[in-house]
Amino acid sequence: DAGVIQSPRHEVTEMGQEVTLRCKPISGHDYLFWYRQTMMRGLELLIYFNNNVPIDDSGMPEDRFSAKMPNASFSTLKIQPSEPRDSAVYFCASSRTSGNTIYFGEGSWLTVV
Amino acid sequence: AQSVAQPEDQVNVAEGNPLTVKCTYSVSGNPYLFWYVQYPNRGLQFLLKYITGDNLVKGSYGFEAEFNKSQTSFHLKKPSALVSDSALYFCAVRDDQKVTFGTGTKLQVIP
Repeated sequence: DAGVIQSPRHEVTEMGQEVTLRCKPISGHDYLFWYRQTMMRGLELLIYFNNNVPIDDSGMPEDRFSAKMPNASFSTLKIQPSEPRDSAVYFCASSRTSGNTIYFGEGSWLTVV
Repeated sequence: AQSVAQPEDQVNVAEGNPLTVKCTYSVSGNPYLFWYVQYPNRGLQFLLKYITGDNLVKGSYGFEAEFNKSQTSFHLKKPSALVSDSALYFCAVRDDQKVTFGTGTKLQVIP
């Protein structure tokens, strides 16, 4: 199995630009999670989906952040406009049915200058 | 609401000595408990999990964890630490859907 695939792995962008992070979950997994990791705040759950439907987006920091899952094999996390404080590692993760192990991608390292 | 506490920001242990990384949790219902390891510039890697059954769970790389229901703990252990075990370790708890991670414990194995 290819694992959770994220792109881009690294992105440097200027403040105010739109950023789109992409994720392909493991085939057959019906849960998808987006996390953000920073030194200051640790690992934060931003949003998660079940069967392509957003279940809990209470962790999304503000309206500049949005996430979609148009089908079972693809999800995006968009930041518009980006700000320097958005600089972090963004992880996508997926799992099968509830209670099961979640598997992480290698992360998207975002730097906003 | 569910929560996970990792009381130690860092644990130092000499190579060859046993190691313990502590975790306590709070969740309504039966807990699903996990340990993950993160090496520098990498994603989190699954080590082991407890869902039901034996309180001692064995996982990857010689790690094991002991589930203690009365103390609501799930400590990670290894009989003999290796320098290559140095990394960041996360404990996690899952209810039916949501997964909550602890703040992480940095393990430093000293040669």
